[in-house]
Amino acid sequence: AIWMTQSPSLLSASTGDRVTISCRMSQGISSYLAWYQQKPGKAPELLIYAASTLQSGVPSRFSGSGSGTDFTLTISCLQSEDFATYYCQQYYSFPRTFGQGTKVEIK
Amino acid sequence: QVQLQESGPGLVKPSQTLSLTCTVSGGSISSGSYYWSWIRQPAGKGLEWIGRIYTSGSTNYNPSLKSRVTISVDTSKNQFSLKLSSVTAADTAVYYCARDIRFGSSGYSTEDYWGQGTLVTVSS
Repeated sequence: AIWMTQSPSLLSASTGDRVTISCRMSQGISSYLAWYQQKPGKAPELLIYAASTLQSGVPSRFSGSGSGTDFTLTISCLQSEDFATYYCQQYYSFPRTFGQGTKVEIK
Repeated sequence: QVQLQESGPGLVKPSQTLSLTCTVSGGSISSGSYYWSWIRQPAGKGLEWIGRIYTSGSTNYNPSLKSRVTISVDTSKNQFSLKLSSVTAADTAVYYCARDIRFGSSGYSTEDYWGQGTLVTVSS
């Protein structure tokens, strides 16, 4: 299985901040990486696929970059509704695996 | 817009079989080139991909669960199902069903729409 290291596990930030979350793979996955946002008691929602393609309806303040083994999710101007937990997921090979999650909390 | 809804017992005894069904609405489960997935999440923990099925019956399973998992599909009911045998307390989790969609022509796909999830507790 492909393992990922997602960092940080906890990120304290203020509204308006620019935040970045990292995801590093144990082996190369080309660009087959997705980012999900999960709020308490809710199902994950797809934000980005193919490392950098925004899912329909997702605000443009979200962006993704990277290929191979190193990937980044950036929120350019944090809004109140963005406080949540974020997961990366590789879909290059089975089993699909997820990062450990990054909780973005209010500073 | 497609919607998915999980259903099934919320409490299962150890060593028994966990059975869940996902009902798809807003479209036919057979239309398009979709797979249909199951993912779980223990309380306060991360996500674990369980497996997926195509309407032809073709499946992919997580090797860590493969010996205990069966995913099936009933196109006449627009449903797909999960069975997990010989459960223990470690199988207690929120179980999600999801649609697996291929983006572009790459042949690779991942989950876009998810159900709300259902909590299954394994306890005597």
